[in-house]
Order: sequence, then C-alpha cells, then structure tokens
Amino acid sequence: NAGVTQTPKFQVLKTGQSMTLQCAQDMNHEYMSWYRQDPGMGLRLIHYSVGAGITDQGEVPNGYNVSRSTTEDFPLRLLSAAPSQTSVYFCASADRGSSTYNEQFFGPGTRLTVL
Amino acid sequence: AQSVTQLDSQVPVFEEAPVELRCNYSSSVSVYLFWYVQYPNQGLQLLLKYLSGSTLVKGINGFEAEFNKSQTSFHLRKPSVHISDTAEYFCAVSYNTDKLIFGTGTRLQVFP
Repeated sequence: NAGVTQTPKFQVLKTGQSMTLQCAQDMNHEYMSWYRQDPGMGLRLIHYSVGAGITDQGEVPNGYNVSRSTTEDFPLRLLSAAPSQTSVYFCASADRGSSTYNEQFFGPGTRLTVL
Repeated sequence: AQSVTQLDSQVPVFEEAPVELRCNYSSSVSVYLFWYVQYPNQGLQLLLKYLSGSTLVKGINGFEAEFNKSQTSFHLRKPSVHISDTAEYFCAVSYNTDKLIFGTGTRLQVFP
C-alpha cells in the first residue's frame, strides 16, 4: 500500500491564483481530513470528510473548498490564494470501521508559498 | 473550549540523558490521546496512543507516556535519548469525535 499520497510536494503561487492540492489514499478509509501547519501553531483542521459525498468544516475553513466524490480522493481547493495561506498542508485518513478511535495516517505534506 | 497545551516549545538535551515532554489537555469524560513525531521535512508519524486500559503506554523508538486523568496530562518520556530523536513532537487529543486537536509542538534538540 502507498498509504496517503499528496501532490505536489512544493508549490509557489501568486496572490489571487487558484490551485488544487491533491490527496489520495489506498487503504479504503472513510475518514479524510486536511490540516495546515504553521510555526508555533501546531496543526489546525481545515476540512474533513466522513465518507464520499460528505464534508464538513474544521477550525480554519475560510478560503478553502473540498469535495469528496470517491473514497480514495479528497482534493483541497484554494479559490484565490492569499499570502496568509502560505503553509505546509497535510492530508490524513482513518478507518472509521473499528470499535475504538481510529488512528489517522498522514501524508508527506505539500509546502505552499503564496507571493 | 477543548484544547491541548504543550508548555515547552523547545527542549534541549544531551545524548543519553532522559527527557520528558509535557502535554496537558482540557478536561473531558472521554478522551483519546496521541503523540506524533515529525522529523525534518517529513509528515507525522504516530509514536503512541492511549485509547483505554493501562495508563502507561509504550510506543516506538523507546518512548512511553502516562495518562493521568486527575492532572489531565499525557507526558511523553524516554530514559535515554539519541541524536536521531531530534524532531518535533506533537501531542493530540480526540474528545470522542472524528476530530484531532493538536498542541503547538515541542522541538526536541539532542546534542552530542
């Protein structure tokens, strides 16, 4: 299994540009989520999904859109990039089928710079 | 509000010395606790987790943590650190939901 994969690894955007960060998992996990990591702030939840067709907002959703058309993919869209969105973005997935809390598996991250 | 506090942003230590990284969470009846490690320019890797049962949890790379409900703490310990343990460590909590709440991280720097 490849686990959780993210593309691209690095991206530079100009203010106002749009782009999509890709996330895919091959573990048949129902739960997927996006976090951003900023110095001194830990990881903050942007959006999450508990299954195909179901998404919800996390702690910092403004400026980001998501959709979940398949179990495997959970893309994150920046509609109009701003310098405040310069960050490292992590995607994670978890299996909601077990009876205990479900460990989240993280991708390698995408480092985004907005000029 | 539900929160996780890692009081130490940086912890410098010499190789082979013991280390403790502190984590406190806001009180709740039901809680799951995690420690993740992030090596430079990499993603997060689970070190250990507490879901239920024994309050002393052992993880990978010789790390362990103790769940203390009365003090709402989940401190991470290692009796003897190595240079390779240099990384950032994140404590995280789930209050019986799908969401993980992360602390701000502790950077462990091990010196020879």
